[in-house]
Amino acid sequence: DSGVTQTPKHLITATGQRVTLRCSPRSGDLSVYWYQQSLDQGLQFLIHYYNGEERAKGNILERFSAQQFPDLHSELNLSSLELGDSALYFCASSVEGQGFGDEQFFGPGTRLTVL
Amino acid sequence: DQQVKQNSPSLSVQEGRISILNCDYTNSMFDYFLWYKKYPAEGPTFLISISSIKDKNEDGRFTVFLNKSAKHLSLHIVPSQPGDSAVYFCAASAGYGGSQGNLIFGKGTKLSVKP
Repeated sequence: DSGVTQTPKHLITATGQRVTLRCSPRSGDLSVYWYQQSLDQGLQFLIHYYNGEERAKGNILERFSAQQFPDLHSELNLSSLELGDSALYFCASSVEGQGFGDEQFFGPGTRLTVL
Repeated sequence: DQQVKQNSPSLSVQEGRISILNCDYTNSMFDYFLWYKKYPAEGPTFLISISSIKDKNEDGRFTVFLNKSAKHLSLHIVPSQPGDSAVYFCAASAGYGGSQGNLIFGKGTKLSVKP
């Protein structure tokens, strides 16, 4: 158990809908990262928050947004869903978000299926 | 263009033998490299890391080697055990020194260790 929790575990929805994925980081971790893993793909970095502020953006679509709240939990909002958005979405957390010596710990993921 | 490449999608070894997983990268700004292990239905688990100032890091049965001139790293598992069967992801970051800590992942190598 990494200490990172993600809800829900599974989500099935229809095209055009909007969903919210939730992540609670490990106790004491200030950084939260979101990654997407599509079929046969490695994990693609989406966005990084540090202590409530956006620090870096990766391959995140404009239909997707995220935020980190004062209690440090984070939510990833996916809107106008398309079939291609079906994927595993992982959240990770780390203490500082500085890379070296600051390993990221991953949650179990949310499997999103868009029908 | 993929910045982190794992060219072998799968690897099969006999229990007790050495497993060697390879990873190549293209971005010379990467200065921190990690290996993650992933079991089905779980998030990736941090295994071992190495900074660019080193060429070897060892942790029990796991050793990571870094060849900066070749932009190549490898993970050695000795001896391999059936419980090591999982997907192994190589990841890199240009995060040391204050830039983003987000990780760039390869697509993974599925290791099967046969009894």
